[in-house]
Amino acid sequence: DTGVSQDPRHKITKRGQNVTFRCDPISEHNRLYWYRQTLGQGPEFLTYFQNEAQLEKSRLLSDRFSAERPKGSFSTLEIQRTEQGDSAMYLCASSTLSGNTIYFGEGSWLTVV
Amino acid sequence: KQEVTQIPAALSVPEGENLVLNCSFTDSAIYNLQWFRQDPGKGLTSLLLIQSSQREQTSGRLNASLDKSSGRSTLYIAASQPGDSATYLCAPEAQKLVFGQGTRLTINP
Repeated sequence: DTGVSQDPRHKITKRGQNVTFRCDPISEHNRLYWYRQTLGQGPEFLTYFQNEAQLEKSRLLSDRFSAERPKGSFSTLEIQRTEQGDSAMYLCASSTLSGNTIYFGEGSWLTVV
Repeated sequence: KQEVTQIPAALSVPEGENLVLNCSFTDSAIYNLQWFRQDPGKGLTSLLLIQSSQREQTSGRLNASLDKSSGRSTLYIAASQPGDSATYLCAPEAQKLVFGQGTRLTINP
């Protein structure tokens, strides 16, 4: 059990570029979550998967954002045409089932310049 | 829509004190509630999970209580240490976790 792994840890990109973050959950965890956190705020829910099915998406997840979990293992979060307001830490988390402990990764920091 | 409030927003106390962090939430239809710790620039570390049927959970110097009907939870930290300095977040869960803004705790040596 190596924990939830996120890559890259830090990304600086120019406004208008696309970026992709990857999350590897704890092995055999069926549920995978994405959250966004800005400085001084608590994490905000973006979306979650159960296996490969995306079950819920927040209104925060505009059409520039897309998340996938193609084989029910790792997940990617892509942001197209980045804007300065997208600058935040993107957190991934996983759990076995709803109601069990949810484990977070170290996050991926995005800075849009 | 679930809303979570944590009071106080920030707390600074001398080492050795016992302290209580408060969390309130608006929707009592939850599966459980988790307390997390977050160090600056880091991810979240789970501290305690209280199932909706439970009243409290303990881990070492930490004790968390849950009163689902009134929408309240408290995290009690005994004999605080400088290493406890961090932001503490509570998050009730119903399909997903919903977070408040957290309490930023500073323990002064």
